[in-house]
Amino acid sequence: QSVLTQPPSASGTPGQRVTISCSGSSSNIGSNYVYWYQQVPGTAPKLLIYTNDQRPSGVPDRFSGSKSGTSASLAISGLRSEDEADYYCAGWDDSVSGPVFGGGTKLTVL
Amino acid sequence: QVQLQESGPGLVKPSETLSLTCTVSSGSMSSYYWSWMRQPAGKGLEWIGYIHYSGSTNYNPSLKSRVTISIDTSKIQLSLKLTSVTAADTAVYYCARGFHDILTGYYRHDSFDIWGQGTMVTVSS
Repeated sequence: QSVLTQPPSASGTPGQRVTISCSGSSSNIGSNYVYWYQQVPGTAPKLLIYTNDQRPSGVPDRFSGSKSGTSASLAISGLRSEDEADYYCAGWDDSVSGPVFGGGTKLTVL
Repeated sequence: QVQLQESGPGLVKPSETLSLTCTVSSGSMSSYYWSWMRQPAGKGLEWIGYIHYSGSTNYNPSLKSRVTISIDTSKIQLSLKLTSVTAADTAVYYCARGFHDILTGYYRHDSFDIWGQGTMVTVSS
């Protein structure tokens, strides 16, 4: 059972906009930054969004993050076939005194 | 470009100690936090622990009694030891570098920007 809760799956057609939610609590999302990772099966995760809504160099601006209260969202606009991957939210948890992850959302591009 | 490479036995017997090494190439370990994560097949990611370049450590409470992370800055390596393993420890193990937020200058321990390719460890007799 993951500390952060994500829907197990999401889908969209090319060009569409999809959002993936991440729900936490006051000890994690509610009081700390949220991060998002993209993991293509068989490869290591890649940092997609940092400190709630910032993109590392090289990440397309089609990807955006937001946070409100104890929840966060990742939005992907102009969906492309190469966006098909697993997406994980993560952040620091004060109770664990360490980083925690969501269970992951498998994004399918139809 | 900094690269990380995990290495170690792919098969460990139950009750024995899992030992992995992560070698850092084309970069320095200075100022950064270095973490180990794991991912059982078909499941999500779990943070195991991190070590700062200075040698200070922080472990996941669920694994703390069995985990030791160390760093050898001369060899540019970090190591993971997990004792008394069971089948539940079977997973892909990743080492990762803590994210350096260039805008703020802050070296973060809550996020990871460079990951190794991962190494599969199976616990079985």
